[in-house]
Amino acid sequence: AQSVSQHNHHVILSEAASLELGCNYSYGGTVNLFWYVQYPGQHLQLLLKYFSGDPLVKGIKGFEAEFIKSKFSFNLRKPSVQWSDTAEYFCASYNQGGKLIFGQGTELSVKP
Amino acid sequence: ETGVTQSPTHLIKTRGQQVTLRCSSQSGHNTVSWYQQALGQGPQFIFQYYREEENGRGNFPPRFSGLQFPNYSSELNVNALELDDSALYLCASSLPGTMRYNEQFFGPGTRLTVL
Repeated sequence: AQSVSQHNHHVILSEAASLELGCNYSYGGTVNLFWYVQYPGQHLQLLLKYFSGDPLVKGIKGFEAEFIKSKFSFNLRKPSVQWSDTAEYFCASYNQGGKLIFGQGTELSVKP
Repeated sequence: ETGVTQSPTHLIKTRGQQVTLRCSSQSGHNTVSWYQQALGQGPQFIFQYYREEENGRGNFPPRFSGLQFPNYSSELNVNALELDDSALYLCASSLPGTMRYNEQFFGPGTRLTVL
């Protein structure tokens, strides 16, 4: 069965530190990858998505992600985090049955 | 543009009871999906409705059922509640088209506690 896995359950950083959150997916045919963010008390919202083309994808709020086909990875990055980036981050992908599959999530805490 | 709304915000039930959760999709979206998010986990797909018919189901028992109405709003019904049903229930709506390429827009969720 297709799966999405996230390496880190909880990441703690200081402001201005660089961020990289890992995501690996099992191959399921057509590539489609998403990063969602859930700020405390708010809706899940889309940060960025990748289907094809340039493997470096830029999203909202200064986030980017790189698709590396050989590693089945789609890691999320941000050069300099802010306290307001404190949230839970989810990697997701549609499987062949059309279901959106989420990773377990990574909780990011940014210390001011 | 009105986003996805869900009601109620919180709900407390006891084992064996039945519950109905409601979702209004974003304007223009005719596809609604429901997810269960247990504490510390990612959302798990329950089912999807498209044009008032179930269009895909995850690994959830039949006591999880749903409806979609002509205005594309939707209900999630859970019968014979169990303690493990305690979770945040998320509704998401999306535009028609190839599912794999559709961004889903999520509501704030309903927090269900089963005692």
